[in-house]
Amino acid sequence: DAKTTQPTSMDCAEGRAANLPCNHSTISGNEYVYWYRQIHSQGPQYIIHGLKNNETNEMASLIITEDRKSSTLILPHATLRDTAVYYCISRGEANNLFFGTGTRLTVIP
Amino acid sequence: DAGVIQSPRHEVTEMGQEVTLRCKPISGHNSLFWYRQTMMRGLELLIYFNNNVPIDDSGMPEDRFSAKMPNASFSTLKIQPSEPRDSAVYFCASSLAGSLYNSPLHFGNGTRLTVT
Repeated sequence: DAKTTQPTSMDCAEGRAANLPCNHSTISGNEYVYWYRQIHSQGPQYIIHGLKNNETNEMASLIITEDRKSSTLILPHATLRDTAVYYCISRGEANNLFFGTGTRLTVIP
Repeated sequence: DAGVIQSPRHEVTEMGQEVTLRCKPISGHNSLFWYRQTMMRGLELLIYFNNNVPIDDSGMPEDRFSAKMPNASFSTLKIQPSEPRDSAVYFCASSLAGSLYNSPLHFGNGTRLTVT
């Protein structure tokens, strides 16, 4: 599965949109992009995933570039409870999620 | 749905003792995963099962670790004998295996293991 790179940390003001970028320049055609988050002491929580089309659900939106080399997770109105580590993962034939170090998002009041 | 259920939430044991961690996957899910999380190494896959059969156990650290899935609704991870370096949070996750990489994993809240 392709490797992903994310910024180590980001801040976002409460109520504003949080845009978390992810690079996956070696992603192959059948690999999905998954996003999870982990709030301290809890298990990773599934947020959203996509292949090539943009996706939206009740938690977030996922924007994937046309060349699929990068994507952005958007939390439209960040709240303090969105403070967490966010993981971007590419998943292909291996039935596994490889978690890197993620982005630590801090939502500031 | 109750989600993935793990027990115990916390386990403190002495070096050399046997430790058994338990997991109940989401009903209807047929893939089950055991992960371990430490500060140094992050989240690592230990083993996963499809339809109760172990598929990939390459992440199991050594022979002291063993995992079983006797039926679709229960799995155990056993460490015998335990060592201080096994201290970590152990997560269980489950998913539908029908379309492998288009099916999200859902995680339990983990077991925090401390070996003294």
